[in-house]
Amino acid sequence: KQEVTQIPAALSVPEGENLVLNCSFTDSAIYNLQWFRQDPGKGLTSLLLIQSSQREQTSGRLNASLDKSSGRSTLYIAASQPGDSATYLCAGYKAAGNKLTFGGGTRVLVKP
Amino acid sequence: GAVVSQHPSRVICKSGTSVKIECRSLDFQATTMFWYRQFPKQSLMLMATSNEGSKATYEQGVEKDKFLINHASLTLSTLTVTSAHPEDSSFYICSAGTDRSRYGYTFGSGTRLTVV
Repeated sequence: KQEVTQIPAALSVPEGENLVLNCSFTDSAIYNLQWFRQDPGKGLTSLLLIQSSQREQTSGRLNASLDKSSGRSTLYIAASQPGDSATYLCAGYKAAGNKLTFGGGTRVLVKP
Repeated sequence: GAVVSQHPSRVICKSGTSVKIECRSLDFQATTMFWYRQFPKQSLMLMATSNEGSKATYEQGVEKDKFLINHASLTLSTLTVTSAHPEDSSFYICSAGTDRSRYGYTFGSGTRLTVV
């Protein structure tokens, strides 16, 4: 059974600092891994999707890496802004069983 | 980009009544839709997976007679909470995707259900 863990559960940084969010998964046979952002009381917004054959994906200030052999993915957010405050979730998709399994999320607070 | 519409965004109902939540993929055909439940400050808990034209697959511990899922077309899935009770109050989110999540999954904006 796939288990996805995110550490830390919460993170508070001053504005301008880079953010590093970690995601680990137990089953390396994932088809892809997706990072999401969730604002309070809202749905999920997809940030980056990394296919199993890829090592990283970049979008603006966001960069996500994937290392299947070690079962890890990392989301980097450069030069954080107060608007980056949200909960970030990673999710691994496994074709066998057709399931998208979520980590517990990291709540991020960027202080002005 | 892919858009998933979920309706209603908020609903308050009385105990014993049923509530239907709709999830629509607006610009793509969703072969698979997932339904999640989220408790405050917790992550998403998968309730069931629905594939168009077939019965939903429920996760262990989720009552299928309580949470009725219908995926009648490639663009619409519904979740009906039957005989709702206060403990069913929660945030419900759907997501939709195609072909083994090749392009990732897109999520609806969620439905806040309050049972009084």
